[in-house]
Amino acid sequence: KQEVTQIPAALSVPEGENLVLNCSFTDSAIYNLQWFRQDPGKGLTSLLLIQSSQREQTSGRLNASLDKSSGRSTLYIAASQPGDSATYLCAVSPDNAGNMLTFGGGTRLMVKP
Amino acid sequence: DAGITQSPRHKVTETGTPVTLRCHQTENHRYMYWYRQDPGHGLRLIHYSYGVKDTDKGEVSDGYSVSRSKTEDFLLTLESATSSQTSVYFCAANTYYNEQFFGPGTRLTVL
Repeated sequence: KQEVTQIPAALSVPEGENLVLNCSFTDSAIYNLQWFRQDPGKGLTSLLLIQSSQREQTSGRLNASLDKSSGRSTLYIAASQPGDSATYLCAVSPDNAGNMLTFGGGTRLMVKP
Repeated sequence: DAGITQSPRHKVTETGTPVTLRCHQTENHRYMYWYRQDPGHGLRLIHYSYGVKDTDKGEVSDGYSVSRSKTEDFLLTLESATSSQTSVYFCAANTYYNEQFFGPGTRLTVL
């Protein structure tokens, strides 16, 4: 059974820092990996989708990398801002026939002004 | 956001009553999903659908049923609600490129 772990569970940084969030998964046979953001009391917002054949994806100040063989992904946030404060979740899919996601527990990020 | 809406957004009900949550999407996506989110357990898949009248169970399907009579609507029913089903329920849909988008959620409290 696939297990997804996110470390750290919580992170507090001063504004302007570059930071890295980690996601690891036990079964490297994934189809894709997706990073989400969730604000308190809200739904999930998709940030980046990385297909298994890709090594990284970028969107603005966000960069996500994928190393399937080692079962790891990182989300890099450049020049963090207070508005980045949220919970960040990663999820993996085993195949494209259903794309059922297995989620990590999330990293709760606080960026202090 | 794949045009996903959920109703109701909040509901309080009593143990033993039936409850139906509705998920509506406007972009003709084939795959739709119901998850629940609980502290300490994260997001877990309840049921999913891969087309009209085509559904299957997820990780935590006991006590839940689903129906999909139209592409745009995916209903989640709790036949007889229990306190353990107090949770936040999210609907999601898959785009053609297998990116999953989520609705705003329904907060359900079972007293």
